[in-house]
Amino acid sequence: SAVISQKPSRDICQRGTSLTIQCQVDSQVTMMFWYRQQPGQSLTLIATANQGSEATYESGFVIDKFPISRPNLTFSTLTVSNMSPEDSSIYLCSVGYRGGAEAFFGQGTRLTVV
Amino acid sequence: DQQVKQNSPSLSVQEGRISILNCDYTNSMFDYFLWYKKYPAEGPTFLISISSIKDKNEDGRFTVFLNKSAKHLSLHIVPSQPGDSAVYFCAASGYGGSQGNLIFGKGTKLSVKP
Repeated sequence: SAVISQKPSRDICQRGTSLTIQCQVDSQVTMMFWYRQQPGQSLTLIATANQGSEATYESGFVIDKFPISRPNLTFSTLTVSNMSPEDSSIYLCSVGYRGGAEAFFGQGTRLTVV
Repeated sequence: DQQVKQNSPSLSVQEGRISILNCDYTNSMFDYFLWYKKYPAEGPTFLISISSIKDKNEDGRFTVFLNKSAKHLSLHIVPSQPGDSAVYFCAASGYGGSQGNLIFGKGTKLSVKP
């Protein structure tokens, strides 16, 4: 499977600011996803990052709050905009491959909003 | 409403004994199930999976059992080792070849005591 690197690994941010998380994969992948894990909760899919077009968001997530870019087959960014303490979570980049169901994850970004 | 449920938040087992982690699901359209292991400060790592056309899949010390009529699956670890101590997530795929778009349970924290 691919090596998936996320930056930053953790951050503490002031409310009202924005943070951009980067995800770099060491090989071209079909699918890239962004998940969120709130404290004590399951991993929840935010959106599918589509190469060269707008991301596909899951119910409850909107582009204005979580803008996503995917300029090529190995890189994606997730921005958490206008942050509030409720955005404190682990954000995870993952990749998938055509014909498979498995998702492979980066190490995650632990975000704390104060 | 959670479609994938792990009702035991934690499990403690003695080294060398069997660990059994359980997972229930509500959506009969799920056709692929996966288990992930997560250590602190790391992303989830894919462990083992099973297709809905099977009732058992084995990989070394790890075996997953699927009971479709009961909408229940379980992960057996035999023998358990202290290095198995982690949070285990059950996940389901809504259709074959979902390429990484998964629905997760909340996880079960396994502690294996020496």
